[in-house]
Amino acid sequence: DAMVIQNPRYQVTQFGKPVTLSCSQTLNHNVMYWYQQKSSQAPKLLFHYYDKDFNNEADTPDNFQSRRPNTSFCFLDIRSPGLGDAAMYLCATSRTHTGTTYEQYFGPGTRLTVT
Amino acid sequence: AQSVTQLGSHVSVSEGALVLLRCNYSSSVPPYLFWYVQYPNQGLQLLLKYTSAATLVKGINGFEAEFKKSETSFHLTKPSAHMSDAAEYFCAVSPITGGGNKLTFGTGTQLKVEL
Repeated sequence: DAMVIQNPRYQVTQFGKPVTLSCSQTLNHNVMYWYQQKSSQAPKLLFHYYDKDFNNEADTPDNFQSRRPNTSFCFLDIRSPGLGDAAMYLCATSRTHTGTTYEQYFGPGTRLTVT
Repeated sequence: AQSVTQLGSHVSVSEGALVLLRCNYSSSVPPYLFWYVQYPNQGLQLLLKYTSAATLVKGINGFEAEFKKSETSFHLTKPSAHMSDAAEYFCAVSPITGGGNKLTFGTGTQLKVEL
């Protein structure tokens, strides 16, 4: 089945140690999103790629970076994780077309623990 | 800016009872509206969406929602709750144009189903 895959599902990192989360999709969607979701909160959009165009949300900390080497893959890099970055990180994809809006398809998420 | 408000962070119903989860949107132009469900430690799954066609939208798992422009509402209902419906539900809004499919989520409603 076509889907959005996130690896790993659970990631433990140390305070200040860089970590990379990965997302891949078989839907061939041209838009990919990264969300941060803290406990009992709504997902918060960090950034998204429209094809190769990177779109950062205004309040996303510089500590968070992203790469999209091709249509299928997208990575979230946290350069120096702090305790406050412990959260579930969700990847999502969607199609897009001028004049309409499509739903987003979410991966299962990666739960990040910072020790 | 668009936003959604979900009234009631926690809703508890008996198995077999009606489920009603409330969502009101704020937008100068009726947006696209979505309901997503999230089970523990999983990503978000689309339940249904309103994209300016029929105002009564049927989704998966027996859920439906009605778009009411006069009330700026998009409440989610299910006639008879099952234990498997226990999860967190998010209402989300997306602009019809110019938004790049970006979603703004409500704060979520945790549904508990009791025997």
